[in-house]
Amino acid sequence: QVQLVQSGAEVKKPGASVRVSCKTSGYTFTDYFIHWVRQAPGQGLEWMGRTNPYSGGTNYAQRFQGSVTMTRDTSISTAYMELTSLTSDDTAMYYCARVPGGYAYHFDNWGQGTLVTVSS
Amino acid sequence: QSALTQPPSASGSPGQSVTISCTGTNSDVGGHNFVSWYQHHPGKAPKLMVYEVNKRPSGVPDRFSASKSGNTASLTVSGLQAEDEANYYCSSYAGNNAWVFGGGTELTVL
Repeated sequence: QVQLVQSGAEVKKPGASVRVSCKTSGYTFTDYFIHWVRQAPGQGLEWMGRTNPYSGGTNYAQRFQGSVTMTRDTSISTAYMELTSLTSDDTAMYYCARVPGGYAYHFDNWGQGTLVTVSS
Repeated sequence: QSALTQPPSASGSPGQSVTISCTGTNSDVGGHNFVSWYQHHPGKAPKLMVYEVNKRPSGVPDRFSASKSGNTASLTVSGLQAEDEANYYCSSYAGNNAWVFGGGTELTVL
């Protein structure tokens, strides 16, 4: 069955960077875009961006331009999201989610989430 | 992109129906038939409930239905059950390779 398994919780200091991984299985990795969505405490979901596992191409939400990098390793069917210059506002649960390639725009499977805490 | 607007809360008794709205703009909800809805129980991964405005994935009960009119999309949960209590989020493609979510609605089954 389709699975997206994310890396474990992280605690970082302000100014540091964090990298979250999303290991996929149960489908052809390059057939689906991987998106990243976060949820700050008490807040709603926020779309951060996506990567095309086939080409490596990326699209980022405007507010994350310059601070986020999304990559992938096709040899191990894993996507990564790196966020730099962390502040307390980046404390959130981070999710990866897949979107079918082609003419589809919905998130049909999600990872379990990775809690990132930014604290001095 | 600004977040789509959802009511923060909704409620209904078991067996009743409740409708959650999701209001956007001509650039997102009104401009594309790519609105989707997600059920999110705290501590779990969000679950796709509706895609492309009104299509249900396999396994989602037909008690969940959805529609769109202009810049507002709606999700209706009929025959409310205790397990429907969760947070519900709408999402829309916003053009230019961007997506946007709503602020979420906490559904309470009384």
